[in-house]
Amino acid sequence: ETGVTQSPTHLIKTRGQQVTLRCSSQSGHNTVSWYQQALGQGPQFIFQYYREEENGRGNFPPRFSGLQFPNYSSELNVNALELDDSALYLCASSPLGAASWEQYFGPGTRLTVT
Amino acid sequence: KDQVFQPSTVASSEGAVVEIFCNHSVSNAYNFFWYLHFPGCAPRLLVKGSKPSQQGRYNMTYERFSSSLLILQVREADAAVYYCAVEVCNDYKLSFGAGTTVTVRA
Repeated sequence: ETGVTQSPTHLIKTRGQQVTLRCSSQSGHNTVSWYQQALGQGPQFIFQYYREEENGRGNFPPRFSGLQFPNYSSELNVNALELDDSALYLCASSPLGAASWEQYFGPGTRLTVT
Repeated sequence: KDQVFQPSTVASSEGAVVEIFCNHSVSNAYNFFWYLHFPGCAPRLLVKGSKPSQQGRYNMTYERFSSSLLILQVREADAAVYYCAVEVCNDYKLSFGAGTTVTVRA
């Protein structure tokens, strides 16, 4: 059984650019959640996707958007990058759809905005 | 603002029991989740639920607004960051604390 994988592992972008982060769910999981973890803080919920639709969103502006594909993999897109977007971005997948909160995390993508 | 609180650091010695306390102010949260995070690796779920439970060397206590993670017979290899999270009912997310760094002296 393959766990949650994310790509790339590290990324450096310039303020104002756009970035796409990718996540492959654990086998059999059809719900994906994205979290932002700033240095020294716990993960903050960005949004969740279930059956290719957004299924809940945290306090993040619309320039944070996502997609989920038929194979349950997912993308996080961030437009107009700001310095404060520098963080570790974690993807987590869950089995059985939105009713299950047993979330399994990937190792994250470290984004640095300069 | 709903928040989850846990100590920033806990120090221990090998073989001891480490206790990490967590409490929250989230009115509609019932389940606790405890994650272990080694830098550069995926956070790993240790134990979860809305009642006291045990998984190997990890025990979880439970009260409506607080939980403790107990690590039995702690080892140097257990030195890591431990996160407490609560499930927010009908809100499709986990709310995390800022993490507790556990250090273990040989």
